[in-house]
Amino acid sequence: RKEVEQDPGPFNVPEGATVAFNCTYSNSASQSFFWYRQDCRKEPKLLMSVYSSGNEDGRFTAQLNRASQYISLLIRDSKLSDSATYLCVVNTGKAAGNKLTFGGGTRVLVKP
Amino acid sequence: DGGITQSPKYLFRKEGQNVTLSCEQNLNHDAMYWYRQDPGQGLRLIYYSQIVNDFQKGDIAEGYSVSREKKESFPLTVTSAQKNPTAFYLCASSTPRGGEPSNTGELFFGEGSRLTVL
Repeated sequence: RKEVEQDPGPFNVPEGATVAFNCTYSNSASQSFFWYRQDCRKEPKLLMSVYSSGNEDGRFTAQLNRASQYISLLIRDSKLSDSATYLCVVNTGKAAGNKLTFGGGTRVLVKP
Repeated sequence: DGGITQSPKYLFRKEGQNVTLSCEQNLNHDAMYWYRQDPGQGLRLIYYSQIVNDFQKGDIAEGYSVSREKKESFPLTVTSAQKNPTAFYLCASSTPRGGEPSNTGELFFGEGSRLTVL
């Protein structure tokens, strides 16, 4: 089983719709979680950190479910500019060398 | 402006040649990382360094080497032992969150280096 897994998609989303997708992680000792956005042939950029209580940043909402070991990202009122690959990143904890492990990414295509 | 600079952006090499990718940061970050990304895939960790003069292997270190003689610099050498070196290489740095070295925060990436081995 991969340490961090994502549905590769693509998720085809009509403009204005809501889309949500998850990321599962295998190491229960994982301490911190992030969502990054990567545009085609560019470097990833931090979208948001994921806090235990869940957090929201404008149209984006991130949730953490420790019991089931997954995080989620929800995008409301999708814009064409939201088309990108969304990478889930997990800090696997001190015992595992404090590595940041990336999921394979979920591709989102927002269409008019 | 502060940031991470990778060079070269594009590099072509013949099979069997060693190649060194440069990564320099002026963000005063302690931790630096090298990732490899293949088409349609996520990032895989090659090497990382939490502090000067120390580094650890990531998940796919075979065929690669690094050094961390200065805080600002973390060069990656792709050796001839690396079986499939053609890829997009990304360097990143981060600063500990809350002052604790064990708790990395946001990763700042360079623009990447695309290596093609002919």
